[in-house]
Amino acid sequence: QKEVEQNSGPLSVPEGAIASLNCTYSDRGSQSFFWYRQYSGKSPELIMSIYSNGDKEDGRFTAQLNKASQYVSLLIRDSQPSDSATYLCAALSGAGSYQLTFGKGTKLSVIP
Amino acid sequence: GAGVSQSPSNKVTEKGKDVELRCDPISGHTALYWYRQRLGQGLEFLIYFQGNSAPDKSGLPSDRFSAERTGESVSTLTIQRTQQEDSAVYLCASRPIPTEAYGYTFGSGTRLTVV
Repeated sequence: QKEVEQNSGPLSVPEGAIASLNCTYSDRGSQSFFWYRQYSGKSPELIMSIYSNGDKEDGRFTAQLNKASQYVSLLIRDSQPSDSATYLCAALSGAGSYQLTFGKGTKLSVIP
Repeated sequence: GAGVSQSPSNKVTEKGKDVELRCDPISGHTALYWYRQRLGQGLEFLIYFQGNSAPDKSGLPSDRFSAERTGESVSTLTIQRTQQEDSAVYLCASRPIPTEAYGYTFGSGTRLTVV
């Protein structure tokens, strides 16, 4: 069974610090990975995608992928109170798979 | 449309009544998904449509749940004889084409409350 595991948190960081969110996945055939942000009472919003080993940067966000370790992470630099949300990690398996497998999410609180 | 549109945004229904939830995906998105999210919980897959292929119904929790989609257009999720445990936010998502490069775009959801 394909699984995506995340620490549920809450993860608390002070404003301006780096928040590090981690995710592991069980299906070694997974090829694409996505991070979603979900504010309380809102629907998930796609913020990052990564397909290749290494780092991918977009503004204050950096996604990291290590397929050998089956590990994905999201770093948020200069964390702001507006970053406080639940972050969902999702994995898409290889050829022919059309479904994302979601983790249960990590709740992040950025303390002013 | 510009985004995934769901209606109604909120629905309160009495136990035992049937409800119908609607999803209008982004134009051109061939894949459509329904998820359920109970309060404080993760996303629970319900059903997946891809073009004219047979839908993947493996996540539907009981035969009280059904969904339809005509081609690549609107989808409706129907819950018959609603129960209190059906109370949740029902999220619809769509995706352009079934390749690895695209994540889902979610709608704003329908919050269903069964009283």
